Amino acid sequence: EPEVTQTPSHQVTQMGQEVILRCVPISNHLYFYWYRQILGQKVEFLVSFYNNEISEKSEIFDDQFSVERPDGSNFTLKIRSTKLEDSAMYFCASSEGEGANTEAFFGQGTRLTVV
Amino acid sequence: KNEVEQSPQNLTAQEGEFITINCSYSVGISALHWLQQHPGGGIVSLFMLSSGKKKHGRLIATINIQEKHSSLHITASHPRDSAVYICAVNRGTDKLIFGTGTRLQVFP
Repeated sequence: EPEVTQTPSHQVTQMGQEVILRCVPISNHLYFYWYRQILGQKVEFLVSFYNNEISEKSEIFDDQFSVERPDGSNFTLKIRSTKLEDSAMYFCASSEGEGANTEAFFGQGTRLTVV
Repeated sequence: KNEVEQSPQNLTAQEGEFITINCSYSVGISALHWLQQHPGGGIVSLFMLSSGKKKHGRLIATINIQEKHSSLHITASHPRDSAVYICAVNRGTDKLIFGTGTRLQVFP
């Protein structure tokens, strides 16, 4: 069964460092998403991406964040200068059609720890 | 106030019990999703609903659009059903708005 793959599963980084979280969405999917979950809190939307551009982003997704689809398979989330409060589980998701009426498939998540 | 509220927050059950988890939302939606989050953190989609009822194995999801309410039922619960169950909604855009989840523990 096709699945969304995220790497690494766990990343520890020093405050101020740049991190890149990687995702391989399901191959025929066109819509891509990043969500995050701070420990003990609910999952929050960060950004959606379609046709090589951001289609929607949340207030959390400030200038420190960027997304890219560098080739036909990868979808990345970059945090330029990490802060302690960026520590969270980051989930990539993809869907075949526009999210409003299509099931989203989630990766296993990347646990980011900023020290 | 959260746009998506779930109850109960925590639920314990004995194996074999019938379980109901509730979700209420305060906004207009285009679809409602039920998801399962395993102890390791991974999220799996269980159902997407815009009306009526769906069934998959021992899981049943219902939605009442007029009352802005959905329920997830698990029949003949099993310890392997132990997980966090999350309700999330689309408001006509890409993004999902998540509830806080219901932590279910099923004991043998």
